[in-house]
Amino acid sequence: AQSVTQPDIHITVSEGASLELRCNYSYGATPYLFWYVQSPGQGLQLLLKYFSGDTLVQGIKGFEAEFKRSQSSFNLRKPSVHWSDAAEYFCAVGPDSGTYKYIFGTGTRLKVLA
Amino acid sequence: KAGVTQTPRYLIKTRGQQVTLSCSPISGHRSVSWYQQTPGQGLQFLFEYFSETQRNKGNFPGRFSGRQFSNSRSEMNVSTLELGDSALYLCASSRTGQNTGELFFGEGSRLTVL
Repeated sequence: AQSVTQPDIHITVSEGASLELRCNYSYGATPYLFWYVQSPGQGLQLLLKYFSGDTLVQGIKGFEAEFKRSQSSFNLRKPSVHWSDAAEYFCAVGPDSGTYKYIFGTGTRLKVLA
Repeated sequence: KAGVTQTPRYLIKTRGQQVTLSCSPISGHRSVSWYQQTPGQGLQFLFEYFSETQRNKGNFPGRFSGRQFSNSRSEMNVSTLELGDSALYLCASSRTGQNTGELFFGEGSRLTVL
């Protein structure tokens, strides 16, 4: 069965520091992978997605993620964090054919110190 | 282009009552999914609709139901509310619901059960 694990519940970084949020997935075939961000009181916004091809994908707001099949990982990175990046981040796997059910990780809450 | 609209945004109910939540998808999107979000549990899949047909349902009791109308708008209903139903209910739309499509989320309906 599909699953997504985000091992870090909370992460705190200083503004200007680099960021890496971890995501591991379990999936039988080539996964369709997504990173979403949720600001307080808001819905989820797509940051980036991976379907195939180049394993390093670029997203909005200066984020990037790298798909590593050998490690079953899809970690999110940003070279320099801004205070406005404080939010909750969710990794997700697209649905198996015919299920229409996306699987989300439990999220990583990012706090940014001024 | 208008985003996904969910109403009401906030509501408070008491145990035993029932509630109906509404979702209007992005124009042209025929797939509507519902997710329950609670702290520590992440997003749990409730159901997915396409062209008025429920194509999948998550592991929730029968008290949770939904439907989709011919204009793709969707409603979900929770009957005989329990304290544990307190959550943020998120609606998401996509063109087809297939694994290559991103989900577009509404801001959610926050339900508090007293």
